[in-house]
Amino acid sequence: DAGVIQSPRHEVTEMGQEVTLRCKPISGHDYLFWYRQTMMRGLELLIYFNNNVPIDDSGMPEDRFSAKMPNASFSTLKIQPSEPRDSAVYFCASSSADNEQFFGPGTRLTVL
Amino acid sequence: KNEVEQSPQNLTAQEGEFITINCSYSVGISALHWLQQHPGGGIVSLFMLSSGKKKHGRLIATINIQEKHSSLHITASHPRDSAVYICAVRWVWEYGNKLVFGAGTILRVKS
Repeated sequence: DAGVIQSPRHEVTEMGQEVTLRCKPISGHDYLFWYRQTMMRGLELLIYFNNNVPIDDSGMPEDRFSAKMPNASFSTLKIQPSEPRDSAVYFCASSSADNEQFFGPGTRLTVL
Repeated sequence: KNEVEQSPQNLTAQEGEFITINCSYSVGISALHWLQQHPGGGIVSLFMLSSGKKKHGRLIATINIQEKHSSLHITASHPRDSAVYICAVRWVWEYGNKLVFGAGTILRVKS
């Protein structure tokens, strides 16, 4: 298995632009998580899905952030409009039931 | 406030030393995870445990549910163990696999 796949690996954009991050979980996993990591706040859960349904989005910072999981093999995290304070590394992870989570390589986002 | 605290924040060791990283949490949990993040940024799950002790190679993780405390031990440390080690817990009332993370311990092993 290729593991959790994220794209792009790096994204540099200008303030106000729309950013879309993509994730393909491990096949067969029924949980998918989006995390954000910054120096100041460490790793934070943004949202997670179970069987493609959003379960907890309490970590989504504001309405500029949205996430979708149209099917079991694909999820997106969108920021519109982006702001410099959104600069961070965004990780996607997946798991089977309550087992260990497998993390993707992350997307390093820089908003200028 | 429900918290996860790790100590120390930073740790420098000489190659070969025995290393201990600690994690304390404030309320009941159903699982505790230890993660490793290398300088390149990738995050790897080392252990998931809810009681007792687990061992994998030179790594040992223990948990004491009554004391709300877990430790990660590294025996015969090596420079390649240099990484950030992160403790994460699932609170006992949480549905699903939602984790709350500690701030991490930055480990540097010198040769």
